[in-house]
Amino acid sequence: DQQVKQNSPSLSVQEGRISILNCDYTNSMFDYFLWYKKYPAEGPTFLISISSIKDKNEDGRFTVFLNKSAKHLSLHIVPSQPGDSAVYFCAASANNAGNMLTFGGGTRLMVKP
Amino acid sequence: DTEVTQTPKHLVMGMTNKKSLKCEQHMGHRAMYWYKQKAKKPPELMFVYSYEKLSINESVPSRFSPECPNSSLLNLHLHALQPEDSALYLCASSQGGLAGNTIYFGEGSWLTVV
Repeated sequence: DQQVKQNSPSLSVQEGRISILNCDYTNSMFDYFLWYKKYPAEGPTFLISISSIKDKNEDGRFTVFLNKSAKHLSLHIVPSQPGDSAVYFCAASANNAGNMLTFGGGTRLMVKP
Repeated sequence: DTEVTQTPKHLVMGMTNKKSLKCEQHMGHRAMYWYKQKAKKPPELMFVYSYEKLSINESVPSRFSPECPNSSLLNLHLHALQPEDSALYLCASSQGGLAGNTIYFGEGSWLTVV
């Protein structure tokens, strides 16, 4: 049973436009959420996180929104750049389970020049 | 500085070999992790060390043996692996072992078992 799901395996966006990556979760005990970016042949790079006590966190071009009632979070990238092309993983952890990350399946973002 | 360094970057080993993957961080983090990632799949947790003690073993076969010599180093000893163990092995660390501590990953070690 996948507790974290990224239903879109891929997303294509024009340079300069907004990229919206979505993530849904089922475990109501999750209280910390992270987004990672991964290039081929490299490890995941941490992008941005959000605690369950917040509904929005912003860092430069990246904003994460959390809707706890819908068990949904999204990552907005504005403006999108060709260098943002990568696989994006959503991950979650629960305070009662140590710092174990449960990852979604990933979304491949392609930003076209 | 959020650097986790892994060596070697690539490793090819036979099924009867014994080899080790090494990981180092100098961020003063007290939790360290081994993850495994197969192609087109998300990372999967293998082991967690918290304050140099093994706190989580996600039912990993004994042919994988972790070791934490000190708070900055984490090893993964490999013995009698199978071809299906070929994957990207990711080391990671975080300041503490509780949720809410951001986990930082290394670049990974690509392992091929022949």
